[in-house]
Amino acid sequence: RKEVEQDPGPFNVPEGATVAFNCTYSNSASQSFFWYRQDCRKEPKLLMSVYSSGNEDGRFTAQLNRASQYISLLIRDSKLSDSATYLCVVPSPGNFVFGPGTRLSVLP
Amino acid sequence: NAGVTQTPKFQVLKTGQSMTLQCAQDMNHEYMSWYRQDPGMGLRLIHYSVGAGITDQGEVPNGYNVSRSTTEDFPLRLLSAAPSQTSVYFCASSYQDRNYEQYFGPGTRLTVT
Repeated sequence: RKEVEQDPGPFNVPEGATVAFNCTYSNSASQSFFWYRQDCRKEPKLLMSVYSSGNEDGRFTAQLNRASQYISLLIRDSKLSDSATYLCVVPSPGNFVFGPGTRLSVLP
Repeated sequence: NAGVTQTPKFQVLKTGQSMTLQCAQDMNHEYMSWYRQDPGMGLRLIHYSVGAGITDQGEVPNGYNVSRSTTEDFPLRLLSAAPSQTSVYFCASSYQDRNYEQYFGPGTRLTVT
C-alpha cells in the first residue's frame, strides 16, 4: 500500500455543488495532516491543517478518521476559482509525503 | 518580504552537465527542503535541512547534493544531469519542521536532453 493515496479524479462539478475528496494514509503514527492546493504550473499552497478530528474554514471542511486512517476534504458551494489540484500531505519520520493529488474542475 | 525564491525558472541541460538550482528564503525558517514533481506523481522529497550545517536525504536523493551554509540559502546541485531528472523542482521552507506549514518557491522547470 502506498503511504498516501487519494481519489484519482478528475472531478468535474457544476458551480454551487458540494464535492468531497478522500485521502488514505498508511503511517498510523502521523499526528498532523495537511491539504494543499496547487494551481496549474504553480507551487502548492496550504489550504488547511488538520491536527485533531477535523477543521473548518468557511466553505472548506477537513475531517480526520484515525481509526480508518483517512482524511477527507469537503468543499461546499463550489466556485469556479476552486478549480485546482488538491494534495493530501502526511508528515512521517524523515519525510513529508504528498499524495498524487485530486484534480477538481468547477464548471459554469 | 519575498518569501521563498528560486532561480532559474527554466533550464535546459544536456546529459552529463552539472548545475546548481538556487533557493533562498527571508523568513528565518530553520527547515528547508527540495522536492521534485513529475506528472501523475506527488511531490517527492529529495533532501532536507533542519538548520544551517545540517542536511539529510529524503526519498529520492541519488544524483543530487545539497549544502546549508546559511539559514537563508539551500542550493541543490545536479552532479551529472540525466534525462530521468527532467522534472519540476520546488524548494520549500517552514518554521521548525515538517509538522508546520511549508511555504513553496515558484519552482524550476528542468529539461535534460
